[in-house]
Amino acid sequence: QVQLVQSGAEVKKPGASVKVSCKASGYTFTSYDINWVRQATGQGLEWMGWMNPNSGNTGYAQKFQGRVTMTRNTSISTAYMELSSLRSEDTAVYYCATPDDILTGYAYWGQGTLVTVSS
Amino acid sequence: EIVLTQSPGTLSLSPGERATLSCRASQSVSSSYLAWYQQKPGQAPRLLIYGASSRATGIPDRFSGSGSGTDFTLTISRLEPEDFAVYYCQQYGSSPFTFGGGTKVEIK
Repeated sequence: QVQLVQSGAEVKKPGASVKVSCKASGYTFTSYDINWVRQATGQGLEWMGWMNPNSGNTGYAQKFQGRVTMTRNTSISTAYMELSSLRSEDTAVYYCATPDDILTGYAYWGQGTLVTVSS
Repeated sequence: EIVLTQSPGTLSLSPGERATLSCRASQSVSSSYLAWYQQKPGQAPRLLIYGASSRATGIPDRFSGSGSGTDFTLTISRLEPEDFAVYYCQQYGSSPFTFGGGTKVEIK
């Protein structure tokens, strides 16, 4: 069965960077884009960007341009999302997500990674 | 950027009642690439509907989606106790792939 397993919770100071991993199993990792979505406590879902695991091509929401980098290691079927220059407003649960076919929405989600930014 | 506006913000209903949730887009959503998700506290979202009207695998037929262009609807024909949750729409036809603000369906 398809699984996306994310790395554990992180606590970071303002100005630091965080790198969250998302390990995929149960399907061909390079088949579908990996997307990243975040959710602050009590708030809605916010789309951050996508990465094509086959080509490495990426697309980021303008809000995160210059601060976010999405990469992958195909040999271990793992995607990464790094966010830099962290501020308190970046405190949120970060999810990776992927479809199960072309253009079908996000059928599979990681369990989420809580990133807390605090001095 | 396509802005999605969901209404109402909160829907107070009883089990067995019909729920109708709206998602309005600021511009036309290409090829009806519109999805609906359900989220319960402490859980990741769950895909319910994609392509505006296709049910995802394992989703009960009491959930249905309709609409095209800029107006979309999620209908839950008869609410079960496990359906009380927050629902989000998302367009994935034009980057950035934006989400609506959500509708909370609560027990009346």
